[in-house]
Amino acid sequence: RKEVEQDPGPFNVPEGATVAFNCTYSNSASQSFFWYRQDCRKEPKLLMSVYSSGNEDGRFTAQLNRASQYISLLIRDSKLSDSATYLCVVNDWGDMRFGAGTRLTVKP
Amino acid sequence: EAQVTQNPRYLITVTGKKLTVTCSQNMNHEYMSWYRQDPGLGLRQIYYSMNVEVTDKGDVPEGYKVSRKEKRNFPLILESPSPNQTSLYFCASSAQNPGQGNTEAFFGQGTRLTVV
Repeated sequence: RKEVEQDPGPFNVPEGATVAFNCTYSNSASQSFFWYRQDCRKEPKLLMSVYSSGNEDGRFTAQLNRASQYISLLIRDSKLSDSATYLCVVNDWGDMRFGAGTRLTVKP
Repeated sequence: EAQVTQNPRYLITVTGKKLTVTCSQNMNHEYMSWYRQDPGLGLRQIYYSMNVEVTDKGDVPEGYKVSRKEKRNFPLILESPSPNQTSLYFCASSAQNPGQGNTEAFFGQGTRLTVV
């Protein structure tokens, strides 16, 4: 089966820092892409979809690079409340494939 | 309200006693999937379904069964639970747009299962 790979971290950053996560996928025909946020032992929730042209939502920027088969998430001006696990999701032939997640801790 | 509902939320059971975890969605989604999450291992897919009567194995299907007799329901069945199936389980659903890929996945709140 096709794979989705993420750096598991953990990333420990101070408040106000900029942090970036990458996620690679193996199926060049993958159709849709997402970033999810998961707080400890709770259900994952959609953070943002990832569009071909890149997209921004406040402090969060998502990008897709189809040629190199990766998606990225950039968080600017990190807040304590950004501490969570971030999961990339790739839609692969109708199936939703999750990366293992990257743990982020933002410290005062 | 659009939602995915899992039941029960918490369950402690004994080895070998058959159990079913239910999952229901009210969004008319074609795609449904089950995951288990264990510390340090992320979400691992157990089974998924592209539509009614269409199911397929995920990465860790051993010891589990599923069925998709109706579009809204996708129960997870443990015929003979064992302690290594102690885990946090999530059900998810999403819509499929032909040629464009799936829309976002919605998750249930999770089921914490302990097998003793």
